[in-house]
Amino acid sequence: AQSVSQHNHHVILSEAASLELGCNYSYGGTVNLFWYVQYPGQHLQLLLKYFSGDPLVKGIKGFEAEFIKSKFSFNLRKPSVQWSDTAEYFCAVIEGGSYIPTFGRGTSLIVHP
Amino acid sequence: ETGVTQSPTHLIKTRGQQVTLRCSSQSGHNTVSWYQQALGQGPQFIFQYYREEENGRGNFPPRFSGLQFPNYSSELNVNALELDDSALYLCASSLAGTSETQYFGPGTRLLVL
Repeated sequence: AQSVSQHNHHVILSEAASLELGCNYSYGGTVNLFWYVQYPGQHLQLLLKYFSGDPLVKGIKGFEAEFIKSKFSFNLRKPSVQWSDTAEYFCAVIEGGSYIPTFGRGTSLIVHP
Repeated sequence: ETGVTQSPTHLIKTRGQQVTLRCSSQSGHNTVSWYQQALGQGPQFIFQYYREEENGRGNFPPRFSGLQFPNYSSELNVNALELDDSALYLCASSLAGTSETQYFGPGTRLLVL
């Protein structure tokens, strides 16, 4: 069965620090990849997604993610975090031909002002 | 805010009881997916409905069932509640029978005693 690993469960950064959150998946075929974010007290919302094409994907609020097929990875990055980026971040994967997403367990990010 | 609403926001039940959770989709969306999110975990796919038919199911027993109505609102029913059913239940609506971009509701937090 498909599995998604987010190795960093809790990350604490100071404002202006760079961020990279890891996401690895187990499926070897075609995949659709997503990052979702849940800000405190808000709904889960889509940050960015990759279906095909340029493996470097730009999302909202200055986030980007890079799909590296050989490493089965889809890491999320932001060059300079802000206090408002404090949230829970979830990686999700859908195997090609399916519509059932598998989510990672999430990474809690706290940014100190 | 996504336009997806869920009711109730919180619910307490006892083991063996039955529960019905409700979801109102974002306007124009004909697909709804339900997820269970246990504490400290990512959302786990329960099932999806497209135009009132179940369109896919995750690894959940038959006591988890659902309905989608002509106005695309949806219900999740859980029979014979178990302690491990305590979780946040999320619904997400989308277009055209895919999981491409899902819009999540705020969730219903269920506690089974």
